[in-house]
Amino acid sequence: AQSVTQLDSQVPVFEEAPVELRCNYSSSVSVYLFWYVQYPNQGLQLLLKYLSGSTLVKGINGFEAEFNKSQTSFHLRKPSVHISDTAEYFCAAGFQKLVFGTGTRLLVSP
Amino acid sequence: DTEVTQTPKHLVMGMTNKKSLKCEQHMGHRAMYWYKQKAKKPPELMFVYSYEKLSINESVPSRFSPECPNSSLLNLHLHALQPEDSALYLCASSQDLNFEGWAEAFFGQGTRLTVV
Repeated sequence: AQSVTQLDSQVPVFEEAPVELRCNYSSSVSVYLFWYVQYPNQGLQLLLKYLSGSTLVKGINGFEAEFNKSQTSFHLRKPSVHISDTAEYFCAAGFQKLVFGTGTRLLVSP
Repeated sequence: DTEVTQTPKHLVMGMTNKKSLKCEQHMGHRAMYWYKQKAKKPPELMFVYSYEKLSINESVPSRFSPECPNSSLLNLHLHALQPEDSALYLCASSQDLNFEGWAEAFFGQGTRLTVV
């Protein structure tokens, strides 16, 4: 069975600073990985996905993630965050049935 | 139009009530999903429909009854719920369940359900 671990429940960062949100997965089968963002009282929006091919994946809003098979990681990065990036970020894995991590709240302050 | 529309946005119901949640998309997607999200928790998959047929049921109690009357609509019928069923119910859709077609799911804003 697949599992997804987001060790950081909350990440505070100042505006225009870089940020990395960590995600580790465990799976015995082919891995498909996703990052979703959820703003307050909203549904989820897909930021980026890794299905195959290049291990560096670029998504929307300036986010990118790198698939690292040896470390079973799929960390999300952004070189310079904005106040508007404050939200909950979920890493997910699976095929047809998504398994989500517990989420990381990104708090961007001025 | 890349929207998944869910109604109502908020719902308060008693434990003896029967109510329904509705979800609609006009993207031509043939896979639709219900997720349940408790406060400060990740979403959990409940049901998946593919071409209007139930494809996945994650052992959800029978007090939740999904229905897919056509390719654009997905309902979740609720009956005799418990207070612990209070949560945000999210609907999503994707092109289909095949590789790539499944890989981008669009989510609605959810229905916040409170059972009293």
